[in-house]
Amino acid sequence: NIVLTQSPATLSVTPGESVSLSCRASQSISTSIHWYQQKSNESPRLLIKYASQSISGIPSRFSGSGSGTDFTLSINRVESEDFSIYYCQQSYSSLLTFGSGTKLEIK
Amino acid sequence: EVQLVESGGGLVQPGRSMKLSCAASGFTFNNYDMAWVCQAPKKGLEWVATISYDGSSTYYRDSVKGRFTISRDNAKSTLYLQMDSLRSEDTATYYCARQPFYYYDGTYYYDWYFDFWGPGTMVTVSS
Repeated sequence: NIVLTQSPATLSVTPGESVSLSCRASQSISTSIHWYQQKSNESPRLLIKYASQSISGIPSRFSGSGSGTDFTLSINRVESEDFSIYYCQQSYSSLLTFGSGTKLEIK
Repeated sequence: EVQLVESGGGLVQPGRSMKLSCAASGFTFNNYDMAWVCQAPKKGLEWVATISYDGSSTYYRDSVKGRFTISRDNAKSTLYLQMDSLRSEDTATYYCARQPFYYYDGTYYYDWYFDFWGPGTMVTVSS
């Protein structure tokens, strides 16, 4: 199975700061990585597909980059509604796997 | 509006069975591959199973192979997950999720990420 390692586990920031969340794959997966946001007691929401492709209805402050094994989700000027958990997911293998998540919390 | 609504969760004893359902609306159900994804309490997301748009192909994570069966009824726009020989480690919220597709140059391509999710149904396996 392809293992996805997300870092850091927790990121404490002040609203208005810009942040980068990391997702590293155990083998090269091209750009087959997707990002989700999960707010407390809600189901996940798709943010970014194929490493950097935007999703309709998602604010433009969310962006993604990377290829191969290293991927980044960036949030430009974090807003209060962004404090939640972020997961990456790979679709390079049909045995789909998720990262363990990064919790974005208020400092 | 796309809607996915799971049902059928609850408390079940180890070794017993449970069947989950997911009612879909707001899109042409039989055009899409569908999946189940679970999340143990306070834990991360785990893909469980995927079924192709026409039900002809199914895929499972290793830990549920031989115990869980994903199926669908396209006439009823409903997805199912039959869970047998349940274990305590199967305790989780189970989400129904849609996998998108795209059409290019005369061919349909089926994607393996999740563009819509239901609210989930909780399954607790305990004696």
